[in-house]
Amino acid sequence: EAQVTQNPRYLITVTGKKLTVTCSQNMNHEYMSWYRQDPGLGLRQIYYSMNVEVTDKGDVPEGYKVSRKEKRNFPLILESPSPNQTSLYFCASSFGPGGQETQYFGPGTRLLVL
Amino acid sequence: RKEVEQDPGPFNVPEGATVAFNCTYSNSASQSFFWYRQDCRKEPKLLMSVYSSGNEDGRFTAQLNRASQYISLLIRDSKLSDSATYLCVDLSSGGSYIPTFGRGTSLIVHP
Repeated sequence: EAQVTQNPRYLITVTGKKLTVTCSQNMNHEYMSWYRQDPGLGLRQIYYSMNVEVTDKGDVPEGYKVSRKEKRNFPLILESPSPNQTSLYFCASSFGPGGQETQYFGPGTRLLVL
Repeated sequence: RKEVEQDPGPFNVPEGATVAFNCTYSNSASQSFFWYRQDCRKEPKLLMSVYSSGNEDGRFTAQLNRASQYISLLIRDSKLSDSATYLCVDLSSGGSYIPTFGRGTSLIVHP
């Protein structure tokens, strides 16, 4: 089954404790991205990756890091989480850049930073 | 910076009604648009593409009005299962690959 998976689905942590949210897709997609969704603000892109070892900032990259060492995986790293990073996070993938191809979204990760 | 604006609603309609949402966009050069559906705090899922010539899929019709810079989604014969939030997306790259999502329009279909 074609899918995008994220782990963990739910996470409660404390300020400053490094965490990683994993994202994996089994569709051989080249383009992957991370979004956060907050009430009243909609989906905002954090980082995206055009292919292995190619990443770039989205609209709201501050406080986040990503890596793309393998085509299927695109982890999101919060080196020192802060309460304003409490949000719902989605990973997405597509064959090409978002402008030409449908994006498939993972199920989401709910993060609470205390 | 690209902007996409949607009426947050909620649009509250009875089963069987026809309902339409609009979404305005700021970038006159934008050419690629989609409508996504999102159920309560779940992942967005593609509903349909928006083409210049219009796009119809069953009870759903999407259209693009370039002159007035808006896209629309029409839902005919509404079902209870259509209750969701509908997101419009400007996917035009314009040199970057950062899609711009609207904040969504909430639809509630009641018996």
